[in-house]
Amino acid sequence: DAGVIQSPRHEVTEMGQEVTLRCKPISGHDYLFWYRQTMMRGLELLIYFNNNVPIDDSGMPEDRFSAKMPNASFSTLKIQPSEPRDSAVYFCASSLGTRYTEQFFGPGTRLTVL
Amino acid sequence: ELKVEQNPLFLSMQEGKNYTIYCNYSTTSDRLYWYRQDPGKSLESLFVLLSNGAVKQEGRLMASLDTKARLSTLHITAAVHDLSATYFCASRDDKIIFGKGTRLHILP
Repeated sequence: DAGVIQSPRHEVTEMGQEVTLRCKPISGHDYLFWYRQTMMRGLELLIYFNNNVPIDDSGMPEDRFSAKMPNASFSTLKIQPSEPRDSAVYFCASSLGTRYTEQFFGPGTRLTVL
Repeated sequence: ELKVEQNPLFLSMQEGKNYTIYCNYSTTSDRLYWYRQDPGKSLESLFVLLSNGAVKQEGRLMASLDTKARLSTLHITAAVHDLSATYFCASRDDKIIFGKGTRLHILP
């Protein structure tokens, strides 16, 4: 059974460009989480969804960040416009049942903004 | 606000030795998670500890939870090079909060 799928795996873009990261959760999972990982700040929760509805977006750093989940099998995280300080690894994770059950992480997208 | 602190943050040890990673959390929580991350890879769930006194073991790794002390430990027995990775603990209040991770390097 496929795990969490993320694309692209690597993204290099220039400052000011729009970046869209994609995630397909494990089939049947009803919670989806977006995290950002940097050396300085560690692993930060950006936003999470339950049954496609955003529940907590308090970790989204700025209005430049937005996330959507149009259906149970797809989510996007968009940064517009991107800045060099957005460079990080972005992980998507999913879980089943509650927001407290163990989360299964995707492989991550390594974003570099020049 | 929940804070999760791990120590040490970096650990270099010889194969065959035993060591313990500590995870303290600041508020009452009945659940503690341990994850492993290999360099450049994703996070893999190791243990979910659900109650005070819970102990789980997988191979050379053993995790325990003391909710009264707000402390979890990850004990490594007779370390081998393959266990080199970064280990994260996480606890929860209204969402799961991760510690900064312990980077473990096991020397052959």
